[in-house]
Amino acid sequence: AQKITQTQPGMFVQEKEAVTLDCTYDTSDQSYGLFWYKQPSSGEMIFLIYQGSYDEQNATEGRYSLNFQKARKSANLVISASQLGDSAMYFCAMILPGSARQLTFGSGTQLTVLP
Amino acid sequence: DTGVSQDPRHKITKRGQNVTFRCDPISEHNRLYWYRQTLGQGPEFLTYFQNEAQLEKSRLLSDRFSAERPKGSFSTLEIQRTEQGDSAMYLCASSLGPYNSPLHFGNGTRLTVT
Repeated sequence: AQKITQTQPGMFVQEKEAVTLDCTYDTSDQSYGLFWYKQPSSGEMIFLIYQGSYDEQNATEGRYSLNFQKARKSANLVISASQLGDSAMYFCAMILPGSARQLTFGSGTQLTVLP
Repeated sequence: DTGVSQDPRHKITKRGQNVTFRCDPISEHNRLYWYRQTLGQGPEFLTYFQNEAQLEKSRLLSDRFSAERPKGSFSTLEIQRTEQGDSAMYLCASSLGPYNSPLHFGNGTRLTVT
């Protein structure tokens, strides 16, 4: 069974600084996908970035990048130039091809951006 | 693309009552998912439809829960004889494409059972 661990319940970052949110995963499968989602206080889950297990390059989407270290089974999210609107809950999630297409989520990290 | 729509946004009900939630996915998406999220936790998978077929149900989905997706369009999630432990945010998501396509989530329905 797959598992996602996010060890930082809360993080603070100064506006315009970069921040790294940690995510480790556990699976015996060779093929899998890793996602990061943002959940503001409004409740909607917003897709940020995706990394496939066979992707050789780290994924990037604007200010978001994913630091993928396969041997360590980590998929940390890096947010550059933090903005006040980045304050939200951030979830790491994994999907396996044979898992009936269900995402397994971590417990999340609450990010607060300070002015 | 109008996004995934869920109704209602909030529902307060008394223990023992039945409730029904509705989800309208993105129109061209053939896959639809229900997740449940309790305070301070990540969402947990409940069930998954491909078109009108319910292909997977979590063990979390007790026999008091039932989900339908008639005609492969909108979906409903019904909870019968609600219990206080059912209080949670119920999230609907839809997707199209291979297994690693991103899920697009709605704003959720927050259920409070008193």
